[in-house]
Amino acid sequence: AQRVTQPEKLLSVFKGAPVELKCNYSYSGSPELFWYVQYSRQRLQLLLRHISRESIKGFTADLNKGETSFHLKKPFAQEEDSAMYYCALSGLGQGAQKLVFGQGTRLTINP
Amino acid sequence: ETGVTQSPTHLIKTRGQQVTLRCSSQSGHNTVSWYQQALGQGPQFIFQYYREEENGRGNFPPRFSGLQFPNYSSELNVNALELDDSALYLCASSLRVGGAFFGQGTRLTVV
Repeated sequence: AQRVTQPEKLLSVFKGAPVELKCNYSYSGSPELFWYVQYSRQRLQLLLRHISRESIKGFTADLNKGETSFHLKKPFAQEEDSAMYYCALSGLGQGAQKLVFGQGTRLTINP
Repeated sequence: ETGVTQSPTHLIKTRGQQVTLRCSSQSGHNTVSWYQQALGQGPQFIFQYYREEENGRGNFPPRFSGLQFPNYSSELNVNALELDDSALYLCASSLRVGGAFFGQGTRLTVV
């Protein structure tokens, strides 16, 4: 079964502190993992994909196949990072097709 | 380049009625996916259309149906509405690979 688990519904950190949003997955095959973000009153948008191995807005995420995890990290949180974050997966090669989403983590950065 | 647009933004229907939601895909994108997002949950995949053919379906009953048109725009139709169909319906367009681009959603309330 395909499943994405984000164990924290809410996460609150202070500005300048490190942030880690957890994501674990189960998938019988080779997955492609994504992080999507939704800022207040904006649409859901792609933050990063594991295939791209890039850093967006200071965020990085490494796919750990042994632990079936794809945690999102940022060394120094900024107030504008406050948003809803969703981890998602699809089959490798399927790109953005048929995404399976986690329940989301609401990140709040306190000043 | 235009983004993904959905209409209407909100609507209220009575149980048992039928509803049609519309989506215009991002310019050049030939794949459209529909998702249902209940309150406090991540988006759930309903189905996907690629070049006017259904290309995968999630765990939704047949009363959820769709269409894709030659210009790649799409419709989601729901028959015999139930109270549990109340949700935010998201449309996402993409190429066969790459990230999905989401619309702002249609908020459906069934009373």
